[in-house]
Amino acid sequence: DAKTTQPNSMESNEEEPVHLPCNHSTISGTDYIHWYRQLPSQGPEYVIHGLTSNVNNRMASLAIAEDRKSSTLILHRATLRDAAVYYCILRDPSGGGADGLTFGKGTHLIIQP
Amino acid sequence: DSGVTQTPKHLITATGQRVTLRCSPRSGDLSVYWYQQSLDQGLQFLIQYYNGEERAKGNILERFSAQQFPDLHSELNLSSLELGDSALYFCASSVAPGTYEQYFGPGTRLTVT
Repeated sequence: DAKTTQPNSMESNEEEPVHLPCNHSTISGTDYIHWYRQLPSQGPEYVIHGLTSNVNNRMASLAIAEDRKSSTLILHRATLRDAAVYYCILRDPSGGGADGLTFGKGTHLIIQP
Repeated sequence: DSGVTQTPKHLITATGQRVTLRCSPRSGDLSVYWYQQSLDQGLQFLIQYYNGEERAKGNILERFSAQQFPDLHSELNLSSLELGDSALYFCASSVAPGTYEQYFGPGTRLTVT
C-alpha cells in the first residue's frame, strides 16, 4: 500500500484557518486520498476525499497537488470541536472490493482558544 | 451519531476467556469492517464483510473470527484472550466496498485482566 506522511502534531488558534499537510509521494494513479478524523473518546469520522481535483464539503476543503504527491486538508475556521487526530489515507478502489482502511499515526491537531 | 451501533460499550474479562462483540451497521449499508485500536499498535484493520461474505482480512489473529448475518449485523469473536488483546474495537459500515466513506460506531472497550 502506498504510504502517507503527516506531521505528528499541529497547533492553531480558534477561528483561524488550519492547513493540515500530507505527503504521499508513491501514490498510484488509482489511489483516492481520504481524510478521517478521530475526536477524543470517539470512533473515526469521515471528513473528505478526492482523486485529482480540489474538493469542498461542509466540513473542510481538500487541496490536491498537481502531481498528486501531496495534499492539504483545510479547515476554514477552526473551532475547539475540531481538536482531533486527523488521518490521511490512500484507498485504491481497484482492489477487488478489499478496502479496509490503513491508518497511520495521523496529525494531532490542538486548537487554542 | 453515525448510525452504527456496537454492544457492549465496555467489557471486562479474564485471560483465556472468550467474548463476542456485536455491531449493527447503518440502515442500507452492506459492508462491515472491524478495527482494533490499542496504544502501541494504533488503529488496525481486522476484517471486512460484504453482504454476508468475507471480503478481506487485515491483521486479524487466528484466535479472532467474525461473521456477518443475513440481517447484516456482524459479530467479532475473540477467544483465548490475552492481556495484549485489551483495546478499543470499532465496527464501521459503508454502502459497498470501494471509495465510499466508512461510518464508525462508538466502539467497544475490552479490558482483559
